[in-house]
Amino acid sequence: QVHLVESGGGVVQPGGSLRLSCAASGFSFSRYAMHWVRQAPGKGLEWVAVLSPAGDIRIYTDSVEGRFTISRDNSEKTVFLQMKNLKPDDTAVYYCARDPIAPAPDYFDFWGQGTLVTVSS
Amino acid sequence: EIVLTQSPGTLSLSPGERATLSCGASQSVRSNYLAWYQQKPGLAPRLLIYDASSRATGIPDRFSGSGSGTDFTLTINRLEPEDFAVYYCQHYGSSPLITFGQGTRLEVK
Repeated sequence: QVHLVESGGGVVQPGGSLRLSCAASGFSFSRYAMHWVRQAPGKGLEWVAVLSPAGDIRIYTDSVEGRFTISRDNSEKTVFLQMKNLKPDDTAVYYCARDPIAPAPDYFDFWGQGTLVTVSS
Repeated sequence: EIVLTQSPGTLSLSPGERATLSCGASQSVRSNYLAWYQQKPGLAPRLLIYDASSRATGIPDRFSGSGSGTDFTLTINRLEPEDFAVYYCQHYGSSPLITFGQGTRLEVK
C-alpha cells in the first residue's frame, strides 16, 4: 500500500536552514508529482510546493519562493524540501502528499504523517 | 486569486444527524476542481471528495459532494462518532495553483 514517511524536522533559529525528506513506498514513485503542504500550529492547511514526476517543473507558493527548493531522487523514491532563511512564520507541520493525476497540480490522495519544523530563537 | 470561504466555522450536531458544510469560492472554479478533506487531531488530512462530487477510494457513501461554479457542499448523512473532525475544501487547477478553505469544525452537540 502507499506509504509516505517524512523526516528532518526540528528546531532551527531564524535565518537557519533545514532539509526535509519524504520516503515513498508502495507505488511507482517516478510516475507521480509530489507536493509539500504545511500546517501552522492550530491553523489551516497551506500548499507549499509541487514537483513534476521527472523533477523538471517546480512551482512554489509566493511566501517561500527563493527560499525553499523542492527536489526528488526517483531512484531512492524520495522527495526533499530544502528550506533556507527560515522565518518564525515557517513554523508548521510539513506534510508530503501525492498528486494522483498528470499533469499536476491537483488534489492529494495520500499524505505522510508530517514532520514538525519550529523556527525560534 | 481564488479565495475559499467555508461555513459555518463550527457545526454542532449529534450522531445520526445530517451535516451540511459549505465552501464558497470568490471566482468560478474551473471544471469543478474542488476537493474535500477530513482531518482528525494529530493526523494528516484524508481525501474524501475530488472533482466536487467524486468519492475517493474507501470513503463511505454517507459522504457526498455537490455544487459547481462558486458554491460547493459536503454532505454527511447519518453522522457516525468517527465523523467529528475538521473539514477542509481545496481548489486546484488554476492560479494560484492550490488554495484551501479555512476549515469547518464538526463537533458533537
